[in-house]
Amino acid sequence: TQLLEQSPQFLSIQEGENLTVYCNSSSVFSSLQWYRQEPGEGPVLLVTVVTGGEVKKLKRLTFQFGDARKDSSLHITAAQPGDTGLYLCAGLLYNAGNMLTFGGGTRLMVKP
Amino acid sequence: NAGVTQTPKFQVLKTGQSMTLQCAQDMNHNSMYWYRQDPGMGLRLIYYSASEGTTDKGEVPNGYNVSRLNKREFSLRLESAAPSQTSVYFCASRKAPGTSGRIRDNEQFFGPGTRLTVL
Repeated sequence: TQLLEQSPQFLSIQEGENLTVYCNSSSVFSSLQWYRQEPGEGPVLLVTVVTGGEVKKLKRLTFQFGDARKDSSLHITAAQPGDTGLYLCAGLLYNAGNMLTFGGGTRLMVKP
Repeated sequence: NAGVTQTPKFQVLKTGQSMTLQCAQDMNHNSMYWYRQDPGMGLRLIYYSASEGTTDKGEVPNGYNVSRLNKREFSLRLESAAPSQTSVYFCASRKAPGTSGRIRDNEQFFGPGTRLTVL
C-alpha cells in the first residue's frame, strides 16, 4: 500500500468534459505538489499547496489541499487533448527533510 | 540553462553487467535525487544527496550506489544489473538542502529520464 493513493489510475474522457483526480493519505504533509508528465519526459511541476484548505488555480486546473493536509484534489474544467498525460501528486512529510513521497499517478487521456 | 541533463537516454544490459547513469544540473542546486519509475508505482526514491559531500538512502536503495562528484553532478551505479532493475530512471535537483520556508526552494526539477532494460 502506497502512502499516497491516487484515484482513478486511468481516465479516458472526451474533450470538453470535466474531471477530478484525488490524492489521499492517512499522513499529514507540510506541503503537496502536483506534477504532469508527458511520454518520454520527466515530471514537470504544476503547483505546490502549503496551507490546509488552500485552493490554487492554473487556468482550467484547480488544486485544493485538504483542511487536515492529508489529501488533495485536481479538477480540470473543459478538458482539452493537450491535458493528456500522467498526473502525479507528491507530498513532503514533516519529518522527511528532503524526501518527497509520490502517489502512483493518474493517466489521463482526452479524446478530441 | 539546460536544467537537469541525464545520459544515456536508453540502455540495454545483460544480467550481471555494470553501468553508471550520469546526471548534471546547471541551476546551482544543493540537493539531487535519483528515482525509478515503474508502471502504477509512481516514482520511488533510490538515493539522494542533500548537499555536496553527503548521500543518503531512499526507499529502494538495494542494488545501487551513488556518487555526488561535485555540486553539479550526481551519478547512479548498478554494479551487477538484475532484470528487476528494468525501469525508467529520473534524476532531479532542488535548490534547498533541507526543508525551506520558501516554496520555490522546495521544488524539484527533473531530467528527461534513462530507460534501462536488463535482459
